Amino acid sequence: DAKTTQPNSMESNEEEPVHLPCNHSTISGTDYIHWYRQLPSQGPEYVIHGLTSNVNNRMASLAIAEDRKSSTLILHRATLRDAAVYYCILRDLTSGTYKYIFGTGTRLKVLA
Amino acid sequence: NAGVTQTPKFQVLKTGQSMTLQCAQDMNHEYMSWYRQDPGMGLRLIHYSVGAGITDQGEVPNGYNVSRSTTEDFPLRLLSAAPSQTSVYFCASSFTGVNTEAFFGQGTRLTVV
Repeated sequence: DAKTTQPNSMESNEEEPVHLPCNHSTISGTDYIHWYRQLPSQGPEYVIHGLTSNVNNRMASLAIAEDRKSSTLILHRATLRDAAVYYCILRDLTSGTYKYIFGTGTRLKVLA
Repeated sequence: NAGVTQTPKFQVLKTGQSMTLQCAQDMNHEYMSWYRQDPGMGLRLIHYSVGAGITDQGEVPNGYNVSRSTTEDFPLRLLSAAPSQTSVYFCASSFTGVNTEAFFGQGTRLTVV
């Protein structure tokens, strides 16, 4: 399974954009890039996913490098409710196992 | 729409006791999985299933058994609890298609004394 590397922690001011990076240099052509976040004392929740093109949804944007060896989750205006651990995960949907392998994630602290 | 339901939410076991953590989903998802999360750590995959009657091991399967007799349910059994199994356990489910998202339960906090 391809691995991801994320910074342990980041800080952001409220109402400012946040860019959360993820490196995945061993990504294969069939790996989808998924982002989940885990609020305190809760299970992880889906944020966004993509394969090659940049993606937008109501929660965030996902920017994928042209060589796909890195990606960035963009929260356009951070709120206090966005304080969570953010996980970048590669999911190979051709392997038949559909496994999600979590790393340690990035703990985002949002300052009021 | 209940999503993924885990029971119990909290449990204290004595070393050597057995118990089953329950997980049920009402979304007709083929894929279900169990994770454990130790303090300050990410989630580690214990077992997973891609459909009824099919299960496989994840990263940390030792000490745990699973079965998948129905699409909806995926129980996790601890046969002889050990203090090292003290953790928060999460169940997740998803479709196995291309554009899918996983849904997680709220977790079971297990303490083995």
